[in-house]
Amino acid sequence: GQQVMQIPQYQHVQEGEDFTTYCNSSTTLSNIQWYKQRPGGHPVFLIQLVKSGEVKKQKRLTFQFGEAKKNSSLHITATQTTDVGTYFCAFSYNTDKLIFGTGTRLQVFP
Amino acid sequence: DTEVTQTPKHLVMGMTNKKSLKCEQHMGHRAMYWYKQKAKKPPELMFVYSYEKLSINESVPSRFSPECPNSSLLNLHLHALQPEDSALYLCASSQERGVGYGYTFGSGTRLTVV
Repeated sequence: GQQVMQIPQYQHVQEGEDFTTYCNSSTTLSNIQWYKQRPGGHPVFLIQLVKSGEVKKQKRLTFQFGEAKKNSSLHITATQTTDVGTYFCAFSYNTDKLIFGTGTRLQVFP
Repeated sequence: DTEVTQTPKHLVMGMTNKKSLKCEQHMGHRAMYWYKQKAKKPPELMFVYSYEKLSINESVPSRFSPECPNSSLLNLHLHALQPEDSALYLCASSQERGVGYGYTFGSGTRLTVV
């Protein structure tokens, strides 16, 4: 069946280190969105990627969509304690249903 | 106003109770959604409303009954729930139905069924 794996499940980093989470699909995706959920909070929309090979930046965050539109990554440069939370990719398979990946929980130690 | 407001923030209910969760947005969004999130899991889609009409029901048990009284409001009526229904219930909205728009989520209702 159609599956999307998000890796790693957990990541602990020292403040200042970089962090990357990956979303990998066995099937071509229509588009991909990324959300951040702080502990005890709700998902907050970060960005949407639509085009094959697309790269977008938001300050220290870099988002990529693979050439085959089957994978995506979120990279954070020089993490800060405010980056703590769970990062979800969210996607659809040519439907109106937005499905969330399993998430990567990021912990940043000062 | 760029928020989705959910009430109540916390709810404890017995298995024989009837309660309702409320969601409100004033961003002019025409699509609204209910998601359910268990601890340490991703949100799971329950219902999609587009222009006040139910367009997607993800095979949700009938003890959950959604309602969209107008374009700004979305309710989720609860009846005869089970303890395993305890979760964070998230309401979201987007400009239009579909996945071409980012979703704005409310802060959720944390439901405990006893």
